[in-house]
Amino acid sequence: AQSVTQLGSHVSVSEGALVLLRCNYSSSVPPYLFWYVQYPNQGLQLLLKYTTGATLVKGINGFEAEFKKSETSFHLTKPSAHMSDAAEYFCAVSDRVNGGSQGNLIFGKGTKLSVKP
Amino acid sequence: ETGVTQTPRHLVMGMTNKKSLKCEQHLGHNAMYWYKQSAKKPLELMFVYNFKEQTENNSVPSRFSPECPNSSHLFLHLHTLQPEDSALYLCASSQSSGGGYEQYFGPGTRLTVT
Repeated sequence: AQSVTQLGSHVSVSEGALVLLRCNYSSSVPPYLFWYVQYPNQGLQLLLKYTTGATLVKGINGFEAEFKKSETSFHLTKPSAHMSDAAEYFCAVSDRVNGGSQGNLIFGKGTKLSVKP
Repeated sequence: ETGVTQTPRHLVMGMTNKKSLKCEQHLGHNAMYWYKQSAKKPLELMFVYNFKEQTENNSVPSRFSPECPNSSHLFLHLHTLQPEDSALYLCASSQSSGGGYEQYFGPGTRLTVT
């Protein structure tokens, strides 16, 4: 069965510092991987996704993530944190099988990012 | 309206009330989803509809009743809820329910059961 583990429920960085949010997955087949962001009182917004091809994926707001099959990881990074990045971030995995429950997204528990001035 | 909209944004209801949540997507998608988001718990998938047909019911109690009259609209009918049902209910849509399609989320309905 698929699963997603996000290491660290809370991460705090200073403005301008590197952001690193960790995500490890388990999947029986090569997965599709996603990162979503949720701002307070809002729904989830897609940051980026990996489906196939280049393993370094660039997303919105300066975020990027690298798919590492050998480490079963899909960590999210941003070189320089901004105050507006403070939010909760969710990693999700989906199997590469069309239809039915195998296509659904499985979400991690989320990591709340705080940015200190 | 663009994207995925949900109404109402906030709802307070007693345990004996009946209410409905509404979701509408303006993206031309064929799949729609209901999720429950509780504090300190992962997002819980409740229901999946693909081309108006329910393809997944994730062991949700019968006090939650979904309805999908067409690919653009999704409802969640609520009756005799429990306090532990208080949560943020998120609706999402995607091109299809197959793997690899990103889901677009609405802003959610914050439900409080008293």
